[in-house]
Amino acid sequence: KNEVEQSPQNLTAQEGEFITINCSYSVGISALHWLQQHPGGGIVSLFMLSSGKKKHGRLIATINIQEKHSSLHITASHPRDSAVYICAVSKGAQKLVFGQGTRLTINP
Amino acid sequence: KAGVTQTPRYLIKTRGQQVTLSCSPISGHRSVSWYQQTPGQGLQFLFEYFSETQRNKGNFPGRFSGRQFSNSRSEMNVSTLELGDSALYLCASSLGDRTLAKNIQYFGAGTRLSVL
Repeated sequence: KNEVEQSPQNLTAQEGEFITINCSYSVGISALHWLQQHPGGGIVSLFMLSSGKKKHGRLIATINIQEKHSSLHITASHPRDSAVYICAVSKGAQKLVFGQGTRLTINP
Repeated sequence: KAGVTQTPRYLIKTRGQQVTLSCSPISGHRSVSWYQQTPGQGLQFLFEYFSETQRNKGNFPGRFSGRQFSNSRSEMNVSTLELGDSALYLCASSLGDRTLAKNIQYFGAGTRLSVL
């Protein structure tokens, strides 16, 4: 069993819909990261959190340390949000362990 | 401020050859981490360098090695290439301060290696 599990693996939605991507982990962590990867490979760090909730524009990330679970929400989704979203956990300073990613497609 | 720069962007090699990839971190960042991404295994941690020393290592064979220079630039070397080494290799830089266990990592665009 992978240390970091994401669901769903693929998600297709219509523009404007509210999107939720889930991440569960089974190990002790120092922080949880949400990353975005567009076609071509470039990865952007969206959030790094160890407790509570963070918001940036239309993106919201939450984490429940007791339940070892995090969610990434996208409000008012747009086709430009189409990308692969990756959950990763820090085990020690810089070593990241990644989930398998969620491929999100937003149709106009 | 320039981002993380990886060179080359694309590389084609044949089995048995060796390859060196380069990563220039964001100015002021002392930590450079390397990752391999394949369709089958996803993203996996290779190693991390901080102040010219390898600080963390993933579960990869000894054919995969790296180093970091005094200006924090890092190189990754893969010797005796195998078909399965075909992947996107990403590096990421961060401040790397151990007391700040929550450093954000900034990723380069990656080097896509194809082994024929």
